[in-house]
Amino acid sequence: AQTVTQSQPEMSVQEAETVTLSCTYDTSESDYYLFWYKQPPSRQMILVIRQEAYKQQNATENRFSVNFQKAAKSFSLKISDSQLGDAAMYFCAYIIGFGADGLTFGKGTHLIIQP
Amino acid sequence: GAVVSQHPSRVICKSGTSVKIECRSLDFQATTMFWYRQFPKQSLMLMATSNEGSKATYEQGVEKDKFLINHASLTLSTLTVTSAHPEDSSFYICSARDLAGRSYEQYFGPGTRLTVT
Repeated sequence: AQTVTQSQPEMSVQEAETVTLSCTYDTSESDYYLFWYKQPPSRQMILVIRQEAYKQQNATENRFSVNFQKAAKSFSLKISDSQLGDAAMYFCAYIIGFGADGLTFGKGTHLIIQP
Repeated sequence: GAVVSQHPSRVICKSGTSVKIECRSLDFQATTMFWYRQFPKQSLMLMATSNEGSKATYEQGVEKDKFLINHASLTLSTLTVTSAHPEDSSFYICSARDLAGRSYEQYFGPGTRLTVT
């Protein structure tokens, strides 16, 4: 079975500090895409960052970056200069091939930002 | 761009009745839409994949006769929960693929909270 594991149910970080959320996945496919989604209390899913598995370079979006280790099947999210608005549930997910199938999500990490 | 809407945002229905949830892509054509279910403090679980003009594909364990999906146009998919029971109470989220853009990316609707009394 294809799975996504987020081993940190909850993380807490001081405002302006850096935090890393971990994610490992398991798939036998060679073509896939990885995502981090943010779900604030409104429950709207917001795409934070995406990574194409065929790209070696780690994706970066402003304060958000990933550490993609393909051989280890690891895909961690680093949030720099944490802000109060970053507080939310964060879900790691992947999709196989060109996306004809749905996303497989991890269980999520609840990120708390301490002012 | 790439906006997906859902209607209603909240619905309360009595046990035994049916309720329909609509998912619309507002500014793009979506040949494929997906329906997810999210229980409180849990992750999203894929229920079914909906392709325009064809029958939906349901994930293992999802009752296709209870959760009827219709994808009659390139911008609209509907999920009908038939003979609803309290255990069907959940948060239902749809997403859609834009084949004109990154086909592997999904755009999410804001979700529908269903409460069955």
